[in-house]
Amino acid sequence: QAVVTQEPSLTVSPGGTVTLTCGSSTGAVTSGHYPYWFQQKPGQAPRTLIYDTSNKHSWTPARFSGSLLGGKAALTLSGAQPEDEAEYYCLLSFSDARPVFGGGTKLTVL
Amino acid sequence: QVQLVQSGAEVKKPGASVKVSCKASGYTFTKYAIHWVRQAPGQRLEWMGWINADNGNTKFSQRFQGRVTISRDTSATTVYMELSSLRSEDTAVYYCTPVTTGYWGQGTLVTVSS
Repeated sequence: QAVVTQEPSLTVSPGGTVTLTCGSSTGAVTSGHYPYWFQQKPGQAPRTLIYDTSNKHSWTPARFSGSLLGGKAALTLSGAQPEDEAEYYCLLSFSDARPVFGGGTKLTVL
Repeated sequence: QVQLVQSGAEVKKPGASVKVSCKASGYTFTKYAIHWVRQAPGQRLEWMGWINADNGNTKFSQRFQGRVTISRDTSATTVYMELSSLRSEDTAVYYCTPVTTGYWGQGTLVTVSS
């Protein structure tokens, strides 16, 4: 099973920009991994922000965007708000049809 | 609107089985696969398996192969996840999600304790 890696923690200033990344032990992440990004706050179910690399749901704030960057999937937050403080998880799909979550990034807005 | 309503919290003894249900509504049930994801206290999200709601085909994480069963009742638009041979490490919140839709169930806490 592949290992999916994320930064354990990141800090961003209010109004600032931060990029979270999602890598794979199998090599470069591509659109064929159909990267997903989820936000989870304590005591809540995850909320899906991004699917298939860069697509947003109707509830995804415009300040979040997804992309591929340097062989990884990336989630960029532009203009961070205090309510963006949360744990963020990526999910990658692999050829064996067994998706794998990353370990999560704890984002602090400070 | 899309809703996924899961069954209530369970307390089980080690070695027992648990069956969690997930009632879907607000979309065509057979259009999307439904995944099961769990989260132990303070831990990461962990993918367990999925079921093709149309034809019933399933795929499981190798970590749970042999211990997990996922089934569906199309007439009831409900998916079930059964985990057997429970141990204390299976204490977690279990979620269902037709991940493509972006929606998640509210989660079901399963506690395994003697």
